[in-house]
Amino acid sequence: DSGVTQTPKHLITATGQRVTLRCSPRSGDLSVYWYQQSLDQGLQFLIQYYNGEERAKGNILERFSAQQFPDLHSELNLSSLELGDSALYFCASSSRLAGGLYEQFFGPGTRLTVL
Amino acid sequence: TQLLEQSPQFLSIQEGENLTVYCNSSSVFSSLQWYRQEPGEGPVLLVTVVTGGEVKKLKRLTFQFGDARKDSSLHITAAQPGDTGLYLCAVFTNDYKLSFGAGTTVTVRA
Repeated sequence: DSGVTQTPKHLITATGQRVTLRCSPRSGDLSVYWYQQSLDQGLQFLIQYYNGEERAKGNILERFSAQQFPDLHSELNLSSLELGDSALYFCASSSRLAGGLYEQFFGPGTRLTVL
Repeated sequence: TQLLEQSPQFLSIQEGENLTVYCNSSSVFSSLQWYRQEPGEGPVLLVTVVTGGEVKKLKRLTFQFGDARKDSSLHITAAQPGDTGLYLCAVFTNDYKLSFGAGTTVTVRA
């Protein structure tokens, strides 16, 4: 158990719909990262928040948005869903290692299926 | 193009055999990480290598960082079914963004 929680575990919806994925980081971690994992694209970084502020952006579509709340949990909102959005969505939080390096702890993921 | 190229894409071996997976790039990195992901779970960090030529051992797993810090390998000795999973290499492209290779899916048959 990484200490990162994600809900729901599975989500099935239709094209054109909107969904919200939720993540709670490990206790004490201020950062939250979102990743998308699909068979053809692998594990892709989407976006990072640190203590409520957006810190880094990756390959995140304009139809997707995220936010981090004062209690540090984060939500990833996916709208106007397309078949190609079907994927595993992971949340991670990070801890600083010796030497200035970071370790990321991943949640169990949300499997999104768009029909 | 991928920043990190992993090979092979798939590897299926018998219990007790050895295996090596590779992670290559044309870029130089200050550090490189290896993760293992089991079905239905998120990736879990195995090791971080930071020095060119560095070798780290984790039980039956041996990780090496290339002298030029552009590539890395993971060698598993006497593989066991519990080693089955997706092995991913990753690098930080800045302090916060972690970029992953496509991964090597390893299957160890009992």
